[in-house]
Amino acid sequence: EDQVTQSPEALRLQEGESSSLNCSYTVSGLRGLFWYRQDPGKGPEFLFTLYSAGEEKEKERLKATLTKKESFLHITAPKPEDSATYLCAVQAETSGSRLTFGEGTQLTVNP
Amino acid sequence: NAGVTQTPKFRILKIGQSMTLQCTQDMNHNYMYWYRQDPGMGLKLIYYSVGAGITDKGEVPNGYNVSRSTTEDFPLRLELAAPSQTSVYFCASSRAIQVGYNSPLHFGNGTRLTVT
Repeated sequence: EDQVTQSPEALRLQEGESSSLNCSYTVSGLRGLFWYRQDPGKGPEFLFTLYSAGEEKEKERLKATLTKKESFLHITAPKPEDSATYLCAVQAETSGSRLTFGEGTQLTVNP
Repeated sequence: NAGVTQTPKFRILKIGQSMTLQCTQDMNHNYMYWYRQDPGMGLKLIYYSVGAGITDKGEVPNGYNVSRSTTEDFPLRLELAAPSQTSVYFCASSRAIQVGYNSPLHFGNGTRLTVT
């Protein structure tokens, strides 16, 4: 069974204080790992897809990295508008298009 | 493009009542999904469809039904509402799988359902 565990559950940062969110996964053949951002009262919004260990992707203050067992979402010099819940999901080779989601990390960035 | 549109945004049901959650997408995506999100529990797949006329169960299908008569629409039916179905429901869509490319899911903004 595919499993995704995210840590920490919640993270409070001061504006400009860089940090990382973790996504550990167990999957029978990884087709892809996805990161989403979710604002309160909204649906998840796609950020990145990573396909293989060693791959990195960047978007503004966010950088996602991937190893064979986990992914990190690095947030550099965050701003209050980066406050959201960040979701990680995996797609297994045997699961077609279906995703297995982690429980998310709720990030709060204080000004 | 409106993307994925869900209606209603909010609904309160009494135990035993029935309702249909509507979902429509205008991106011509073949794949559509229904997820529920409970606090601290992540998103759980209820049902999904790979094209018109084809549906399949996800992780938590009990108490729900779906149909897919068109590419655009994928309604979710609750026949006998129970308190355990209190949740936020998200509909999503994606393109068909292509070699070397994983189409991300595009989500609607959800329906918040309370069953009392």
